[in-house]
Amino acid sequence: AAGVIQSPRHLIKEKRETATLKCYPIPRHDTVYWYQQGPGQDPQFLISFYEKMQSDKGSIPDRFSAQQFSDYHSELNMSSLELGDSALYFCASRAPTSGSYNEQFFGPGTRLTVL
Amino acid sequence: DAKTTQPTSMDCAEGRAANLPCNHSTISGNEYVYWYRQIHSQGPQYIIHGLKNNETNEMASLIITEDRKSSTLILPHATLRDTAVYYCIVRVPSDTYGQNFVFGPGTRLSVLP
Repeated sequence: AAGVIQSPRHLIKEKRETATLKCYPIPRHDTVYWYQQGPGQDPQFLISFYEKMQSDKGSIPDRFSAQQFSDYHSELNMSSLELGDSALYFCASRAPTSGSYNEQFFGPGTRLTVL
Repeated sequence: DAKTTQPTSMDCAEGRAANLPCNHSTISGNEYVYWYRQIHSQGPQYIIHGLKNNETNEMASLIITEDRKSSTLILPHATLRDTAVYYCIVRVPSDTYGQNFVFGPGTRLSVLP
């Protein structure tokens, strides 16, 4: 079965550089979530999109922005990178179901290292 | 969302049942209990969810107490590959898309040979 695809899987950047992470949801999934997981920490919600519109916002820094495109893939843009941005970035997608079914499927993550 | 408390860590012998408890004493009537796990640095993986009835799937069983203030995830025959951090999350399932999950801190389960 198709899974969530994230690219790149690993990324190394210098301080103050920019980075773009990409997420390709499972086919026919219309909701995308971004999470950040720092070293030794639990995943923290950043932002989500439903039908190409921002639907919820968490602890996302102002230096970060994201969008969802017409094909439902999403990109997380990160500028003025700081050492503290080094983390695993997960994308999750959800099918357009309702009721009790709220399962999110997570991708393998992008490991960002800021030097 | 209701707050959950879980043991920081647990050990389980390979082949035995792993019982992971979760306390959610402030759960409200329309909140579901979800379980996810994260195997080292991989994306969190959905395990099971439930409202008030016990649930079972190919991965695990979920036992929810009658008052819904606590639940137990049961892995019937733990294997070494079940070593992971297990997260119990309580939230309202909603047609309001974009509902995110709040993770943490979870139980670190170590399955021992």
